[in-house]
Amino acid sequence: GENVGLHLPTLSVQEGDNSIINCAYSNSASDYFIWYKQESGKGPQFIIDIRSNMDKRQGQRVTVLLNKTVKHLSLQIAATQPGDSAVYFCAERTGGFKTIFGAGTRLFVKA
Amino acid sequence: GAVVSQHPSWVICKSGTSVKIECRSLDFQATTMFWYRQFPKQSLMLMATSNEGSKATYEQGVEKDKFLINHASLTLSTLTVTSAHPEDSSFYICSARLTGTSGSTGELFFGEGSRLTVL
Repeated sequence: GENVGLHLPTLSVQEGDNSIINCAYSNSASDYFIWYKQESGKGPQFIIDIRSNMDKRQGQRVTVLLNKTVKHLSLQIAATQPGDSAVYFCAERTGGFKTIFGAGTRLFVKA
Repeated sequence: GAVVSQHPSWVICKSGTSVKIECRSLDFQATTMFWYRQFPKQSLMLMATSNEGSKATYEQGVEKDKFLINHASLTLSTLTVTSAHPEDSSFYICSARLTGTSGSTGELFFGEGSRLTVL
């Protein structure tokens, strides 16, 4: 199936530093992208989204960058906090509401 | 905000039995719900799209006779894992789309997941 990762890559950052989580998406026809945060044993939580006609969108402490040329998304978290420790997934949609998840990255925040 | 509830949150069953997982949209109507499964340290894999009043659409490689989906009302979809085996042990997550939304933008609301362990 799609996007089945064997193991999640891990990013470890110091509290207060900025985090950058990267994602390569699969479908060049995808027109809407979302970043989700998943804590252990819970469902995904919406963080931020971006449409394909944009290349940057900012939220509170988070920024998403989209590079359609290389099919790449990134999530930047400013002043990372211990509560940001979780697994982060990018997801894509192609013309409808069916949402396909990327491989995910585990973020560890060291106090 | 919109809430999606799953029940049970965890279940342990014997091999060969069937298990039903419910997904309810508590404060909104959902024409479409999606079912995912997630193995440890892996991503969410879409299993099927559940449409109210019609048959579910299954993703490639997902056995429709194994994973029965029923979406009988605008607030409830159920996933039944039939004749469960240890390899079906996984975290099953549903999500719901608010009725009336169209296109590809808009929030999808996720349940908290149901952990199935088959002995």
